[in-house]
Amino acid sequence: AQSVSQHNHHVILSEAASLELGCNYSYGGTVNLFWYVQYPGQHLQLLLKYFSGDPLVKGIKGFEAEFIKSKFSFNLRKPSVQWSDTAEYFCAIGRGSGSARQLTFGSGTQLTVLP
Amino acid sequence: NAGVTQTPKFRILKIGQSMTLQCTQDMNHNYMYWYRQDPGMGLKLIYYSVGAGITDKGEVPNGYNVSRSTTEDFPLRLELAAPSQTSVYFCASIRGDYSNQPQHFGDGTRLSIL
Repeated sequence: AQSVSQHNHHVILSEAASLELGCNYSYGGTVNLFWYVQYPGQHLQLLLKYFSGDPLVKGIKGFEAEFIKSKFSFNLRKPSVQWSDTAEYFCAIGRGSGSARQLTFGSGTQLTVLP
Repeated sequence: NAGVTQTPKFRILKIGQSMTLQCTQDMNHNYMYWYRQDPGMGLKLIYYSVGAGITDKGEVPNGYNVSRSTTEDFPLRLELAAPSQTSVYFCASIRGDYSNQPQHFGDGTRLSIL
């Protein structure tokens, strides 16, 4: 069975600091990769997704992620965080090519950005 | 276009009571899902459906039931509420074809069992 690991459970940064959240997965086949964000009291929203092509994916609000197949990783990055980025971030993988029909989520990383 | 709509947003139940969490989507999506979210645990799949009349268990189905009589609706039923079912429940949907589309989530139902 596939699994997703997010090793950072809680990250605290000051505004303008750079962000990198780790995501590693275990699955030997083709995967689709996602980062979702959940702002306090809200539902999950898609930040970015990777299905194929350029392994460096750019998403909304200045976020990007890089798929490194050899390391089974899909880390999320942002050069300069803002207070409004305070939220919980979930990495997820979908099995199979071109589909997000079956997702496995990581346990999430709570990001707190201090003003 | 409302997307995925969940009702109610909040509910408190007593142990042993039953209730149905409603989920409806207006995007003509084939696949629908119910997840529960517990602190520090991410989202766990309870049940999913690949189309009207077809449902299947996810990772944590015990204590829950679902039905899918229409494409739009996918209610989740708790028959005998237990404290372990205190959680936030999210419904999601996706078209289901190989269209590179992500799952769409509802706003969630926060359920407390006392």
